[in-house]
Amino acid sequence: QQPVQSPQAVILREGEDAVINCSSSKALYSVHWYRQKHGEAPVFLMILLKGGEQKGHEKISASFNEKKQQSSLYLTASQLSYSGTYFCGTEGWGGADGLTFGKGTHLIIQP
Amino acid sequence: DAEITQSPRHKITETGRQVTLACHQTWNHNNMFWYRQDLGHGLRLIHYSYGVHDTNKGEVSDGYSVSRSNTEDLPLTLESAASSQTSVYFCASSEGPEQSPYNEQFFGPGTRLTVL
Repeated sequence: QQPVQSPQAVILREGEDAVINCSSSKALYSVHWYRQKHGEAPVFLMILLKGGEQKGHEKISASFNEKKQQSSLYLTASQLSYSGTYFCGTEGWGGADGLTFGKGTHLIIQP
Repeated sequence: DAEITQSPRHKITETGRQVTLACHQTWNHNNMFWYRQDLGHGLRLIHYSYGVHDTNKGEVSDGYSVSRSNTEDLPLTLESAASSQTSVYFCASSEGPEQSPYNEQFFGPGTRLTVL
């Protein structure tokens, strides 16, 4: 089932912080985060694994609550270049069915 | 540099025609995926492959097929195009094995398909 992202959209001033949430109804093995700018392909940001391992971006952090099957992406001191649509992709146990992506969160950073 | 390419980038076709979208990657990745992206739906998985001669159905596979005859290519075929298949199609690849914990996906530039 498709994970639910919140908020659907957010507008910030440059330098402000943002949190994007991703919630799933199924047990998760990993959560992936991607950013997509208008007219471009999604670009990898981060992977979080059950057990706490992470791999990802220097200036973006994330958390993974395995019990609640939730992940949050933290964008601190946002820059204009952070604007875009953020997608979480979830992978269930077994990993044999690919990623299921949420509908996305639109982030607009204003100067 | 290694890359993933898609062709064509834009395609207009008519209802009922067979259409094939190409995806080619030079990373020697085992895993390849096809997604479609529509407003309000995000990215939805169509088909995927974990190696040569391996193919699997995704969430929205009806009306689509794929075949994997080599590591580099995973063409997506619309057997009889329908207006509901108007969308942007993204191909992606990642390293194997399929359950590797660091399976970040690299996306191609996308193909915009319009079915009239």
